[in-house]
Amino acid sequence: GESVGLHLPTLSVQEGDNSIINCAYSNSASDYFIWYKQESGKGPQFIIDIRSNMDKRQGQRVTVLLNKTVKHLSLQIAATQPGDSAVYFCAENPPHNAGNMLTFGGGTRLMVKP
Amino acid sequence: EAQVTQNPRYLITVTGKKLTVTCSQNMNHEYMSWYRQDPGLGLRQIYYSMNVEVTDKGDVPEGYKVSRKEKRNFPLILESPSPNQTSLYFCASSFRQGDYEQYFGPGTRLTVT
Repeated sequence: GESVGLHLPTLSVQEGDNSIINCAYSNSASDYFIWYKQESGKGPQFIIDIRSNMDKRQGQRVTVLLNKTVKHLSLQIAATQPGDSAVYFCAENPPHNAGNMLTFGGGTRLMVKP
Repeated sequence: EAQVTQNPRYLITVTGKKLTVTCSQNMNHEYMSWYRQDPGLGLRQIYYSMNVEVTDKGDVPEGYKVSRKEKRNFPLILESPSPNQTSLYFCASSFRQGDYEQYFGPGTRLTVT
């Protein structure tokens, strides 16, 4: 079946550098994508979302880019801080997910080195 | 403080002993759901509820039951737990179905021996 996936299970960056977390999705009919952050011992927390009619959306220190041509989603974190260390999930809403709402990817762990 | 709470946070039990994990939200959300999180598999939805007395199966409902008698509560019931239900469980809620920004609880780590 179609599902959301991730390229890199673990990403290690230096404090202050920019981070880019990637996600590949396979359902071209999905019209909504969302990024969640999960810190150790906590539940996922909403970061930013984007609809399929957009290519880019910016938040505070975060930017999500959507490339529908290659079905690719990325999360960019500017000036990465130790508090950004967490697992990041992308999720999509395939049309068949009437009640399921979102299909989640497996997650990427971001480690920030001081 | 707006939040989703789960209890217990940690539970070790034996095969076949019925258990209930409670979930409660104080945001007056209509939509609630349960997920399990397993290494390499991400979050998979078990059951969801669009409102009081309205529940439906998610991706992996086998071995689980839920109820939604009140808007704020959405307990997850394992009638006869088995070792393959050892997992990390999350309850989540959102204002209504179609509102994709879900608020997650802190998680319940269940071990079935």
